Amino acid sequence: SQQGEEDPQALSIQEGENATMNCSYKTSINNLQWYRQNSGRGLVHLILIRSNEREKHSGRLRVTLDTSKKSSSLLITASRAADTASYFCATGGASGSARQLTFGSGTQLTVLP
Amino acid sequence: NAGVTQTPKFQVLKTGQSMTLQCAQDMNHNSMYWYRQDPGMGLRLIYYSASEGTTDKGEVPNGYNVSRLNKREFSLRLESAAPSQTSVYFCASRLWTELVQPQHFGDGTRLSIL
Repeated sequence: SQQGEEDPQALSIQEGENATMNCSYKTSINNLQWYRQNSGRGLVHLILIRSNEREKHSGRLRVTLDTSKKSSSLLITASRAADTASYFCATGGASGSARQLTFGSGTQLTVLP
Repeated sequence: NAGVTQTPKFQVLKTGQSMTLQCAQDMNHNSMYWYRQDPGMGLRLIYYSASEGTTDKGEVPNGYNVSRLNKREFSLRLESAAPSQTSVYFCASRLWTELVQPQHFGDGTRLSIL
């Protein structure tokens, strides 16, 4: 079963607008990661946030984590056509087999020029 | 650096045939992973190898076997392919499974079973 579920499943915006994607998960986590997948390619790591952190920034990316609500959001500011891709959240547990990442089903983002 | 390299990129098999998917990484990582990705779904873990000499089952191991050939290489074998195994297969690696780190992915093998 999948731990993370992204919302929305698909998002279409104009270039220059902000894009927000949400991820909800079910069990306690040690960290949450966001990945991007361009069509026909593998996943590329974007940003990692630990369970004791509430917000992280990396360039045009902002990630928040609310462990009380078991949810995270990824904000991409000033979007570009090149941001068109699928975005996945992945959660990692604290130890043992739970250390392995569990991926959500993804949000397909389309940025229109 | 090549990162994670998967071969082949595409393959078509008939039901009952066998094949091995190859994966190699050049980042000196200890942990390696095999996932499958089906339409509308995220990645599901098939098998992983936390370090050279060890392998463990993931979420969906049935119908698959793996071999950690050495530190660089981790192969996935389908002994008797079934249509339900039609999918895109991704190999990934990271330095250590026990550390909170990102994973590095190959570009996938697109496998169709008729």
